[in-house]
Parts: sequence; structure tokens; C-alpha cells
Amino acid sequence: EAGVAQSPRYKIIEKRQSVAFWCNPISGHATLYWYQQILGQGPKLLIQFQNNGVVDDSQLPKDRFSAERLKGVDSTLKIQPAKLEDSAVYLCASSSPKGKKDGYTFGSGTRLTVV
Amino acid sequence: AQSVTQPDIHITVSEGASLELRCNYSYGATPYLFWYVQSPGQGLQLLLKYFSGDTLVQGIKGFEAEFKRSQSSFNLRKPSVHWSDAAEYFCAVGAGNTGGFKTIFGAGTRLFVKA
Repeated sequence: EAGVAQSPRYKIIEKRQSVAFWCNPISGHATLYWYQQILGQGPKLLIQFQNNGVVDDSQLPKDRFSAERLKGVDSTLKIQPAKLEDSAVYLCASSSPKGKKDGYTFGSGTRLTVV
Repeated sequence: AQSVTQPDIHITVSEGASLELRCNYSYGATPYLFWYVQSPGQGLQLLLKYFSGDTLVQGIKGFEAEFKRSQSSFNLRKPSVHWSDAAEYFCAVGAGNTGGFKTIFGAGTRLFVKA
């Protein structure tokens, strides 16, 4: 089974620029998550989708971050405008509705550096 | 709401020595408990999970973990560490019902293996 695909792997941008990340989950996985992992910290949930609906976005800084999951498959996470403190690894994960209690499958992440 | 604490930021062990990584959680009932491993530049990989049944669970790569309700702990162990085990290890706690299931990650413990 193919894993969770993410792109790009690395991105360097200047502050106040915009950036977008893409995620393709495992086929058939209805639940998709975006996590932010700041250096030296554990992953922090930004947003959770169930199919194309948002289940939890309580930790998403909505003034600058947005995410969508059209057609309930691929997802994009956007930051506009970026701040220095947004430098982090952005991880996408997916799980089946019954499988979320079995753990998640993570992609390799996108490392964002804001200068 | 659940929370998870990993008291050790980093641990160094000699190759061939035994390993124990500590994890303490806070939750009113028995949560779903997970251990993930993250190698440099990679996403998180599930090592093992626990919800009910035998309190000693076996995972991949020779790891095991023991759930101790009285201590609110879920420590990860390995009898003999290999150099390839050097990585960051995250304990995670999952709770909630199907729609609102949320997984919280600890800050991680970085494992160094010396020859």
C-alpha cells in the first residue's frame, strides 16, 4: 500500500510571503490530519478532516492558516502571510474511520523555513 | 482533556544495553496509548499501541511497552538497543468518541546510541 505523500519536502520563504503544502493520504482513508512540529517539540494538531468536512480546527491560526480537502481526498494547507515562528515541519497523517484508534500513518513532512 | 509527559528530553545508551523511555499521561479513563518513532527527516512511524487487554504490548522492531494504570504510565522498553534505534520517540494519548477522537503527542525523547 502506498504511504501518505507530501510535497514539497523543503521550502524556504521570506516572512510575509505565502506558501502551500500538499498531501495525498492513503487510498480509502477518510480522516486526514495536519500537524505542526516545531523543532524540539511534539507534533501539534492544526486541523482534522473527516472526508471533506472539518472535524477540529481549534488550534489552527485562522488569520493566516487555511486548509481544504476538496473531494475528500487530497488536501492543501496554506500560510499567508508567513511569520518567522511558522518555521516548522508540517506533517500530514491519515487514518480510516475505524482505524484512528489503531494509530495514524504519517507522511515524511514538509520542512518550512521562514527567513 | 488528555495530556502526556515525557520527562526525559534525551537519553544516551550503549549499543547492546537495555532501554526504557518514560511516558506519563493524564486522562479520566483509560485512553488509547501509542508510541511512535521518528528518524531524522522522516515522518512518525507507529511502534505499538494499547487500549485494553494484556498490559504488556509487543510492537515492531523488538520494542514493548507496559501500561500501569496505578502510575498513569506507559513506558517503552527494549532489551538490547541497536545503533539503528537512534531516533526521536514520541508517546501519544488518544481519547474521545469516533467523531471527536483526538491524539495528543508528548514532546519526545531523543535517543542517542553510543558504540
